[in-house]
Amino acid sequence: DSGVTQTPKHLITATGQRVTLRCSPRSGDLSVYWYQQSLDQGLQFLIQYYNGEERAKGNILERFSAQQFPDLHSELNLSSLELGDSALYFCASSVGSSGGAWETQYFGPGTRLLVL
Amino acid sequence: GESVGLHLPTLSVQEGDNSIINCAYSNSASDYFIWYKQESGKGPQFIIDIRSNMDKRQGQRVTVLLNKTVKHLSLQIAATQPGDSAVYFCAENQGNTGKLIFGQGTTLQVKP
Repeated sequence: DSGVTQTPKHLITATGQRVTLRCSPRSGDLSVYWYQQSLDQGLQFLIQYYNGEERAKGNILERFSAQQFPDLHSELNLSSLELGDSALYFCASSVGSSGGAWETQYFGPGTRLLVL
Repeated sequence: GESVGLHLPTLSVQEGDNSIINCAYSNSASDYFIWYKQESGKGPQFIIDIRSNMDKRQGQRVTVLLNKTVKHLSLQIAATQPGDSAVYFCAENQGNTGKLIFGQGTTLQVKP
């Protein structure tokens, strides 16, 4: 158990819908990361938050957005869902003292999203 | 439409043998490297890391080797056990953020 929690574990929805994925980092970690794992793209970095502020951005679609709240939990919002958005979405966290560089990231169990 | 999955390379070893998993990384400016293990239905699990100022680092039954000249990383697992069966990913980090770039992964199968 990494100490990172994610809810829900599974999510089934329809195209065009909007969903919110939630992540609680390990106690004391300030940085939160979101990754997408799909069959054809592997593990892809989406976005990083550090202490409530966006720190780094990957190839995150404009339909996707995230935020980190004052209690450090984070939410990833996916809207106008398409079939191709079906994937595993992982959250990770790290201490954050160096902004995330050279820090071990601990991954949660993931949310499996299926868009029908 | 039909999706095409990544065809991960597979390494098949006998229980008790040593395993070597290789990874070519993409960015010569990357200065931190990590190996993760992912079991079916679970999130990636940290195994070992290494900074670019080192060329070797050892953990419990695992060793990571870094060759910056050819941008190559390897993970050695000693006395491989059935519980080591999983997909192994290398990841690289560069700059002042935590953005990780993952390799495609290698499936390790351990035969009893």
